[in-house]
Amino acid sequence: GAVVSQHPSWVICKSGTSVKIECRSLDFQATTMFWYRQFPKQSLMLMATSNEGSKATYEQGVEKDKFLINHASLTLSTLTVTSAHPEDSSFYICSAREGASGANVLTFGAGSRLTVL
Amino acid sequence: QKEVEQDPGPLSVPEGAIVSLNCTYSNSAFQYFMWYRQYSRKGPELLMYTYSSGNKEDGRFTAQVDKSSKYISLFIRDSQPSDSATYLCATDSWGKFQFGAGTQVVVTP
Repeated sequence: GAVVSQHPSWVICKSGTSVKIECRSLDFQATTMFWYRQFPKQSLMLMATSNEGSKATYEQGVEKDKFLINHASLTLSTLTVTSAHPEDSSFYICSAREGASGANVLTFGAGSRLTVL
Repeated sequence: QKEVEQDPGPLSVPEGAIVSLNCTYSNSAFQYFMWYRQYSRKGPELLMYTYSSGNKEDGRFTAQVDKSSKYISLFIRDSQPSDSATYLCATDSWGKFQFGAGTQVVVTP
């Protein structure tokens, strides 16, 4: 089945630094990837839709200059949290749609837990 | 009103019991319906998906979709402690995925 690899699985950084999270589709090409944020015991909150070769589409209320998304190839999307602050601490999860089988479903990465000190 | 409503639980059942989960949705345009399982501190993993109405069975899991009432269900037979997780329902219409809040399930030995 479709596999999405996300790295790092956890990261701790100092306030004011930037952190990059990578999301790769291992066995399929993904023209579209999605980035979610999840707070404890809450559901997934869509942050942005990452489109290969073009600008990401951000959801309302998500700062595009704060959360930089780059989708440079059909198998890689990155999320950079710039000038991170403690309130950015969260669980970030990427996903990709694998439609080759005809099923329109999302495959998720394992998530990245960010802690900003 | 959220487009997909799901009771967050927690839902506690004894080992061996049937777990019954459900969601309602508001947009009749939704075509694909999915159930994901998420263990603590992990990304969601796809359990089952169905297209349009009907039932789908996979081992101990059965997914049902009733488009007339906009109701989707997941049943887990012979539940095991390893089934303890959060289960999220999801729908898709033209590439816009909508997720329920997730129901926390606890299967006690």
